[in-house]
Amino acid sequence: SYELTQPPSVSVSPGQTARITCSGDALPKQYSYWYHQKPGQAPVLLIYKDSERSSGIPERFSGSSSGTTVTLTISGVQAEDEADYYCQSTDNSGTYWVFGGGTKLTVL
Amino acid sequence: EVQLVQSGAEVKKPGESLNISCKGSGYSFTTNWIGWVRQTPGKGLEWVGIIYPGDSDTRYSPSFEGQVTISADKSITTAYLHWSSLKASDTAMYYCVRRHDTYWGFAYWGQGTLVTVSS
Repeated sequence: SYELTQPPSVSVSPGQTARITCSGDALPKQYSYWYHQKPGQAPVLLIYKDSERSSGIPERFSGSSSGTTVTLTISGVQAEDEADYYCQSTDNSGTYWVFGGGTKLTVL
Repeated sequence: EVQLVQSGAEVKKPGESLNISCKGSGYSFTTNWIGWVRQTPGKGLEWVGIIYPGDSDTRYSPSFEGQVTISADKSITTAYLHWSSLKASDTAMYYCVRRHDTYWGFAYWGQGTLVTVSS
């Protein structure tokens, strides 16, 4: 079955830039989506169609795509950005949705 | 305002059946896909499946095909996730989700239903 691969953890200091990658064979063909999830809360959609910010999401969150890898970039990381981040996409057929394994962002 | 309101937490024994529900409001229930996402304790998100209430077109993740049944009742704008025989490994938080009006990506999430299966 199709898989999306994310690093388990990323750590950055406040004010720095965090980059979280997501790799998958179908990503050149299918859009990616990014969510974050804080403890005890439902996930929140941050980015859709690789690079579009969802309504109400701060400009410091951005998405990009290059080949089989998509990247979520958080510029000027704030303490409140500490959360789990998940990428999402579909397989080549566009039928089956898949989430990446998640990346825990730690703000040092 | 789009709202997805899920049924409450459940505690069941292995082998029992279960339906959990998700009531949609504030939008056209019939013409919007609605789906389910599983999150096991301390683990990541897994897409379970999705249904189009208008014609009941349903798609399942290969990991969940045959393990659960997704249905929808248009008359009460409610989607369901059903197990005929629960296993301990079904213990998880289950979220219902809906795409945004104009793009894919699950913009709307229910509050989650915690299912605990234990003897």
